Amino acid sequence: DSGVTQTPKHLITATGQRVTLRCSPRSGDLSVYWYQQSLDQGLQFLIQYYNGEERAKGNILERFSAQQFPDLHSELNLSSLELGDSALYFCASSGGGGGALEQFFGPGTRLTVL
Amino acid sequence: GQNIDQPTEMTATEGAIVQINCTYQTSGFNGLFWYQQHAGEAPTFLSYNVLDGLEEKGRFSSFLSRSKGYSYLLLKELQMKDSASYLCAVRDLNNYGQNFVFGPGTRLSVLP
Repeated sequence: DSGVTQTPKHLITATGQRVTLRCSPRSGDLSVYWYQQSLDQGLQFLIQYYNGEERAKGNILERFSAQQFPDLHSELNLSSLELGDSALYFCASSGGGGGALEQFFGPGTRLTVL
Repeated sequence: GQNIDQPTEMTATEGAIVQINCTYQTSGFNGLFWYQQHAGEAPTFLSYNVLDGLEEKGRFSSFLSRSKGYSYLLLKELQMKDSASYLCAVRDLNNYGQNFVFGPGTRLSVLP
């Protein structure tokens, strides 16, 4: 158990819909990262927040957005969903803003878009 | 652009040593990570290299050569539980901050 929690574990929805994925980092960690893992594209870094502020951005689509709240939990919002958005979405946390420290991954949310 | 290459699959025998190679091309290299991922589970951190040389951590070691854009993960005294995918990832600094680029992963099968 990494100490990072993600909800829900599974999510099934239809194309065009909007969903919100939730992540609670390990106690004391200030950085939260979001990743997408699909069979054909491997693990893709989406975005990082540090203490409430966006710190880094990877291959995140404009239809996706995220935020980190004062209690440090984070949410990833996916809108206008397409079939290709079906994937495992991981959240990870670490203690520092630079990202050089070990990242601890949550169990993931499996999103299925029908 | 950014590119990371790893072998797709490798097979080794229990008790043996295996080396998983990773080559990368990035414009703003700032560290290389190795992760282990069992099927259906989250990745777990194995090692981090930012300077050239070897980092040893129990049965696992990781090597980095920045001039060659090359790293390897060395697993000694292989156990059946080491059967997993091994992901090489590079931290890349650019004008927009940092980006983490993952390789496709190497699926290692450890046979008895």
